Amino acid sequence: DIQMTQSPSSLSASVGDRVTITCRASQGVRNDLAWYQQKPGKAPKRLIYAASSLQSGVPSRFSGSGSGTEFTLTISSLQPEDFATYYCLQHNTYPRTFGQGTKVEIK
Amino acid sequence: EVQLVESGGTLVQPGGSLRLSCAASGFTLSTYEMNWVRQAPGKGLEWVSYISSSGKTIYYADSVKGRFTISRDNAENSLCLQMDSLRAEDTAVYYCARRSGLDIWGQGTMVTVSS
Repeated sequence: DIQMTQSPSSLSASVGDRVTITCRASQGVRNDLAWYQQKPGKAPKRLIYAASSLQSGVPSRFSGSGSGTEFTLTISSLQPEDFATYYCLQHNTYPRTFGQGTKVEIK
Repeated sequence: EVQLVESGGTLVQPGGSLRLSCAASGFTLSTYEMNWVRQAPGKGLEWVSYISSSGKTIYYADSVKGRFTISRDNAENSLCLQMDSLRAEDTAVYYCARRSGLDIWGQGTMVTVSS
């Protein structure tokens, strides 16, 4: 199985900060990588697909990069509605595997 | 509006069975690959199962293999997850999600396995 190691597990940041979350795959997944945002009590919402493509309707302050084994999600200027937990997902092989999640909290 | 709605979650005793359903609106479910994903209380996301659009290709997580069965009823535009021999560790919110890239998710249905 491919392991997805996400870091950090949590972070504190202020509104307006630039935030970067990293996901590392234990073996190459090409660009078959997605990022999700989840708020308490809600379903995950896909932000980024194919490692760097922005899902329709998602603000442009979100961006993704990487290929192979190293991926990043960047929020260029954190907004109050961005405080949530973020997950990466590899969909290159089965079983699909998620990162452990990164909780973004208010500083 | 494209939407998925899960149902069937409830409290069940260890060793019991439960059948979850996922209904689609705004699109024809029969033309899409589908997945089940779960999330235990306070924990991360765990992929559970996949079924191809034809139903001929199916995958399961090792944690549920031999106990859970995914199926689809294309005539009813729905997806099912039959869960047998349930354990406490199966307690979770269960989501259905569309496509191999999990683009659209339902709101989830809670399954609690407890005596």
